[in-house]
Amino acid sequence: DGGITQSPKYLFRKEGQNVTLSCEQNLNHDAMYWYRQDPGQGLRLIYYSQIVNDFQKGDIAEGYSVSREKKESFPLTVTSAQKNPTAFYLCASLGAYGELFFGEGSRLTVL
Amino acid sequence: AQTVTQSQPEMSVQEAETVTLSCTYDTSESDYYLFWYKQPPSRQMILVIRQEAYKQQNATENRFSVNFQKAAKSFSLKISDSQLGDAAMYFCAYRYGGGTSYGKLTFGQGTILTVHP
Repeated sequence: DGGITQSPKYLFRKEGQNVTLSCEQNLNHDAMYWYRQDPGQGLRLIYYSQIVNDFQKGDIAEGYSVSREKKESFPLTVTSAQKNPTAFYLCASLGAYGELFFGEGSRLTVL
Repeated sequence: AQTVTQSQPEMSVQEAETVTLSCTYDTSESDYYLFWYKQPPSRQMILVIRQEAYKQQNATENRFSVNFQKAAKSFSLKISDSQLGDAAMYFCAYRYGGGTSYGKLTFGQGTILTVHP
């Protein structure tokens, strides 16, 4: 079935470490997005990419980096510069009618 | 900047009853889209319903319908015949229809809906 796969579902990081969250889609969508969700809050946009080899910062890009080498893949790296990385991360792609399709999310905890 | 406000942090409803979730938004644009997403305990975001601003007719999807008041910038979600599976956090979201904000959604803070048997 078509969809978005995020991995890992749970990830633990020590302070000072970089970690990479994977996002793969087989929906043949051009645009992909990374959102961050904190407890009891809405989603905030980290980065987005409209096409391969191109991406733009969202509202809270500091401390994060992305790449878009393939249409299907949009990995997010949480760097040591991100001061409060513990959160739930959601990857999404843009459908034909302007709606977002989401993965199941990755929960990152800093120890 | 566009903002989306959900003024009800929590709502509850009896099974089989009807509940309405409120959402207001602020924008100076005329071309935009509005969405309601559901986030169950599994945490995956699921699209419930979509409304194009240029359409006067309110969107409907089975038991879910919206009351779109463009002048008032209000976009409420009505859930009829509520079911236990409707229990979730519901997010209202806005997207500008123009090319410069390609696909970027602005989300409200969410409303937790509890359904009592």
